[in-house]
Amino acid sequence: AQKITQTQPGMFVQEKEAVTLDCTYDTSDPSYGLFWYKQPSSGEMIFLIYQGSYDQQNATEGRYSLNFQKARKSANLVISASQLGDSAMYFCAMRGSSSGGYNKLIFGAGTRLAVHP
Amino acid sequence: KAGVTQTPRYLIKTRGQQVTLSCSPISGHRSVSWYQQTPGQGLQFLFEYFSETQRNKGNFPGRFSGRQFSNSRSEMNVSTLELGDSALYLCASSLGTGPPYEQYFGPGTRLTVT
Repeated sequence: AQKITQTQPGMFVQEKEAVTLDCTYDTSDPSYGLFWYKQPSSGEMIFLIYQGSYDQQNATEGRYSLNFQKARKSANLVISASQLGDSAMYFCAMRGSSSGGYNKLIFGAGTRLAVHP
Repeated sequence: KAGVTQTPRYLIKTRGQQVTLSCSPISGHRSVSWYQQTPGQGLQFLFEYFSETQRNKGNFPGRFSGRQFSNSRSEMNVSTLELGDSALYLCASSLGTGPPYEQYFGPGTRLTVT
């Protein structure tokens, strides 16, 4: 069965510093994808970044980068130069063929990030 | 390009009633997935629709159903509401036919059952 584990319930970081949010996954699928989403207090899930299991390079989107270590089954999110607006809940999620469909996502429990001035 | 829209944003219903939630995906996206988010269970997959067909279903009772229309808009219905159905219901939109696999969520509908 597929599983996502986020071991950090809460994290805090000083403004302008970098922070790493941890995500480990478990799957037997040869092909899968990993997502990171941000959920502010308003509730909307904001797509941040995607990494495919066969992608040769780690994904990057602006201040977000995904540290993908396939052998360790980890997909950590790195946020550089944190901003106050980055304070939110962050979810790691996975899709895979064994999940029974193209787009079924399995989510982790989330990490609440607080950025301090 | 307009994002994913969900209506209504907030809803208060009484136990035993039924409710219909609506989701309009991003233009050109043919896949709509629904998720339930609660403090206790986190984010759980409800079902996915693609080209008007349910492609996958999560582990929810039959009281939860959905459909997709020819314009890719989707509705989900919950009948005989229970207190435990109180949750944030999110829908996600994607192309649905392969890469890119990015899924974009709407703002959600917050349902309160009293």
